[in-house]
Amino acid sequence: GQNIDQPTEMTATEGAIVQINCTYQTSGFNGLFWYQQHAGEAPTFLSYNVLDGLEEKGRFSSFLSRSKGYSYLLLKELQMKDSASYLCAVMDSNYQLIWGAGTKLIIKP
Amino acid sequence: DTGVSQDPRHKITKRGQNVTFRCDPISEHNRLYWYRQTLGQGPEFLTYFQNEAQLEKSRLLSDRFSAERPKGSFSTLEIQRTEQGDSAMYLCASSPRPRTGRGIYNQPQHFGDGTRLSIL
Repeated sequence: GQNIDQPTEMTATEGAIVQINCTYQTSGFNGLFWYQQHAGEAPTFLSYNVLDGLEEKGRFSSFLSRSKGYSYLLLKELQMKDSASYLCAVMDSNYQLIWGAGTKLIIKP
Repeated sequence: DTGVSQDPRHKITKRGQNVTFRCDPISEHNRLYWYRQTLGQGPEFLTYFQNEAQLEKSRLLSDRFSAERPKGSFSTLEIQRTEQGDSAMYLCASSPRPRTGRGIYNQPQHFGDGTRLSIL
């Protein structure tokens, strides 16, 4: 079966750094996406990795290791507005997105 | 604003009634997706259109669910004889064709604000 695992909840302090991990087992791989979702709102696109390595975009970076079936999202200089759920999604061999359940990130002052 | 729009934002109905939701994708996007999401879960794939063709439908989707995209632009999702378990957020997303060049870059899906369905 296809499976995406990420922690249910994480807590971090304003101004700090947090790493959200995602491991996956899917039938085929055509890229991994990270989305941010605030409560009651739609997911918004953050990053896309299809090759191994680190993609940096401002305060957010995403890393991929295809051989390990592993990705992480790194958030630096945390702000209160970063409190949200972070969803990991893998595009499988049929070009469909398989979604994790999301990691709820709580930022404390 | 040229984002994905969904209508209505909220729908409350009695069990057994039929409901229909509408999605207007970003105009240059030829791919359109419907998802269902419940609290604490990621989106669950329902169905997918490329232009007007419905290319995939989840095996989890019962015959009470049907979707159309008649002219390859907006789409509708209908749920017949609603049940309590249908209560969820229904999300629509669209994306353009993958970019090609040095390999294939699969474009991200852009989501609408969703329709929250509550079954009484």
